[in-house]
Amino acid sequence: DVKVTQSSRYLVKRTGEKVFLECVQDMDHENMFWYRQDPGLGLRLIYFSYDVKMKEKGDIPEGYSVSREKKERFSLILESASTNQTSMYLCASRRGGLQETQYFGPGTRLLVL
Amino acid sequence: EDQVTQSPEALRLQEGESSSLNCSYTVSGLRGLFWYRQDPGKGPEFLFTLYSAGEEKEKERLKATLTKKESFLHITAPKPEDSATYLCAVRETGANNLFFGTGTRLTVIP
Repeated sequence: DVKVTQSSRYLVKRTGEKVFLECVQDMDHENMFWYRQDPGLGLRLIYFSYDVKMKEKGDIPEGYSVSREKKERFSLILESASTNQTSMYLCASRRGGLQETQYFGPGTRLLVL
Repeated sequence: EDQVTQSPEALRLQEGESSSLNCSYTVSGLRGLFWYRQDPGKGPEFLFTLYSAGEEKEKERLKATLTKKESFLHITAPKPEDSATYLCAVRETGANNLFFGTGTRLTVIP
């Protein structure tokens, strides 16, 4: 079974703090993704990575950065957290190829006060 | 414009009352259409992938079908444990990403 884990289920941070969300997958997948999910807006892509040290911006990258130093680990960084970044953050991974399924982690619910 | 639209937004069914959820999509070329189930506070759980019009897949009480413009998730004789949000997503030709609909929240009443 594919397993995608996220470092925290719940986080509470203060405005202006630097926040790190970590995601680890154990299936040697090339592609990894960070989404945020908000009521009525669905899942929106923040960043994705198709290889170690490679990244591409998604639909809403502003205020976020990412790091992928090892194949199994993909980190999302909020450089200076703001209240509008309160959300559910979901990590996903997928093997490279044309018809591969994307698997999700359990999510991190972040509250920025 | 929206690439994936799901309807209805919410659906309440009595236990045993069969129904269908709809996912309509507009992409230039479909690489794959995906159905996920999401329970409150959890990550989406993969259900099905469909690749071409006419394809069907089944799992327990769920059956997914695909046409050139939409997909249906048919739920036969649902049980309360089928209550969840069902998400549809498409992968366009040449794209790495999935585009998600906003989901259908299903409640099955005992």
